[in-house]
Parts: sequence; C-alpha cells; structure tokens
Amino acid sequence: AQSVTQLGSHVSVSEGALVLLRCNYSSSVPPYLFWYVQYPNQGLQLLLKYTTGATLVKGINGFEAEFKKSETSFHLTKPSAHMSDAAEYFCAVSERRNTGKLIFGQGTTLQVKP
Amino acid sequence: ETGVTQTPRHLVMGMTNKKSLKCEQHLGHNAMYWYKQSAKKPLELMFVYSLEERVENNSVPSRFSPECPNSSHLFLHLHTLQPEDSALYLCASSQGPTRVTGELFFGEGSRLTVL
Repeated sequence: AQSVTQLGSHVSVSEGALVLLRCNYSSSVPPYLFWYVQYPNQGLQLLLKYTTGATLVKGINGFEAEFKKSETSFHLTKPSAHMSDAAEYFCAVSERRNTGKLIFGQGTTLQVKP
Repeated sequence: ETGVTQTPRHLVMGMTNKKSLKCEQHLGHNAMYWYKQSAKKPLELMFVYSLEERVENNSVPSRFSPECPNSSHLFLHLHTLQPEDSALYLCASSQGPTRVTGELFFGEGSRLTVL
C-alpha cells in the first residue's frame, strides 16, 4: 500500500531563510508525486508535481522539489522564505495506474517569522 | 465562475438534521472527489466519481450519501451525523483516469460543525 510521511508537523523559519519541508513515500510502483499548499480558509492548490523526466521540478512561488528514488523522498525547498509562504503544505503520492487517487501526508505547517 | 465551487462554506447542524453539500466544477473535468479534512489527520478520500459513476467508496459510513447527477456537479447528503463528523469537506475534480497527471483541483471546502 502507498503511504506518505511528512517529517515535522510544524516548521518555523525566519524570513529570508531556507525552507525545507520533508516528504518520504512508499509505493510499489513508480509514483507520481505532488506538493500542495493550503492557505487559511482555502482549499488546496498545486505547488508542483513530478511525473516523469527531470527529477528536479520547479513550481510556483519559487518552490522546487527533487525526486530521489534511492531515498524514496520528495523534499520541498525554497531558497528564501517570504511571509506570504506561511501555510500548510501537503505531500501526496499517486500510483501511475490509478491516477487521480492521491494519498496525502498529514501536512506540515510552515511558520515564517519576521 | 472559476474552478471548483463549494456551497455552503459553513454549515452547522444538529445530529438529527438532514443537509447537503454541493460542489460544482467549471473545468470540463470528468472525475470528482470528496475528501474529509480533520484536524491533526491526513486528508481522507471519501468518494470518487468518474463519468458520473461511483468508482470508489472508501469505507465511508452510510450517513454520508454522495450523488453525482452529471460530470459538473457533486453532492454530499448528510443525515444523522455525529459530532466527530465535524470537519472541512473538500471537493476536487480532475481530468479523470484517462489522463496521467493525477492533478486535483480543489474547492475551498465546506466547514461542517455537528452539534
């Protein structure tokens, strides 16, 4: 069965500092991997996704993530945090043959301090 | 109208009430989903509809009853709920299993409180 583990339910960084949100997955087949962001009182919005090809993927708002098969990881990074990045972030995995059915991690709340 | 729209945004109901949540997508997608988001828990997939046919019922109690009259509309009918059913209910849509991206487009959610 597929699963997603996000290490750290809360991450706090200073404005301008590196953002690193960790995600590890388990899947019996090559996965599709996603990061979604949820701002307060809103639904989830896709940040970026990995399907095939280049393992370093770039998303919106300066975020990027790298698919590392050997480590079964898909960590999310941003070189310099902005106050507007404060939100909850969800990593998700989808089996390629079962597209559209996403399994989500428990989420990581990112706090950005001035 | 843009994206995925959910109504109502907030709902308070007693355990004996009957209410419905509505979702409408304007993206031309052919698959729709209900997710439950509770505090401190991962998003839980409840139901999946593809081409108006229910393709997944993720062991959801019968007090939740979905309806998908067409590819643009999805309902979640609620009756005799329990306080632990209080949560944010998220609707989503996608191109469906014929597409390979798996990307979901979410509505803003309906915040349900059961008293």
